[in-house]
Amino acid sequence: DAKTTQPTSMDCAEGRAANLPCNHSTISGNEYVYWYRQIHSQGPQYIIHGLKNNETNEMASLIITEDRKSSTLILPHATLRDTAVYYCIVAIKYNNNDMRFGAGTRLTVKP
Amino acid sequence: NAGVTQTPKFQVLKTGQSMTLQCAQDMNHEYMSWYRQDPGMGLRLIHYSVGAGITDQGEVPNGYNVSRSTTEDFPLRLLSAAPSQTSVYFCASSYSGLTGATLSPTDTQYFGPGTRLTVL
Repeated sequence: DAKTTQPTSMDCAEGRAANLPCNHSTISGNEYVYWYRQIHSQGPQYIIHGLKNNETNEMASLIITEDRKSSTLILPHATLRDTAVYYCIVAIKYNNNDMRFGAGTRLTVKP
Repeated sequence: NAGVTQTPKFQVLKTGQSMTLQCAQDMNHEYMSWYRQDPGMGLRLIHYSVGAGITDQGEVPNGYNVSRSTTEDFPLRLLSAAPSQTSVYFCASSYSGLTGATLSPTDTQYFGPGTRLTVL
């Protein structure tokens, strides 16, 4: 019973924006949207999270629709080092035991 | 800070052998957890702990034991290894939001580099 749906894979040209979609139509009012990524063979790395407002940090931007049923992670200027599997997760804050890392989206940034 | 460290990086066991995967963090995080990742799949939670002396089961706890005697360390024990336990194991830590009367600033999970375990 996955809480999120993501495309299996995506390609992006180096230097262009990478837009990674995520559907979470059954999200509860107190659940946040988290994004992590996993570069080959390494442990996952936190990217960003949000509740209902759009968020931006030094790594990425997170756009959450008004009904909160979907979101998009934006890497504004993708580099080859952004090639990774990106996980979209919904969970209640401070309930990390409730996080479910599904298969994610494999993003390949091409030169 | 070293962050989250895991040892060993690689391990090969024979069926029936036991071993302990080590995990340590130096960020004073209350929450620690163990995940396994099988080829082409996401991470699955094995066990977790919200503080010293407290542990609980995740999605796939069978065949694994944990203990949390200190804030810093959270070892994972395989009592009798089976080929189905061949996987990459990741340890993670974070604030739990349970520190005193003030919510911790973030629940970001920090992951270790992983241990690749093969059971023959």
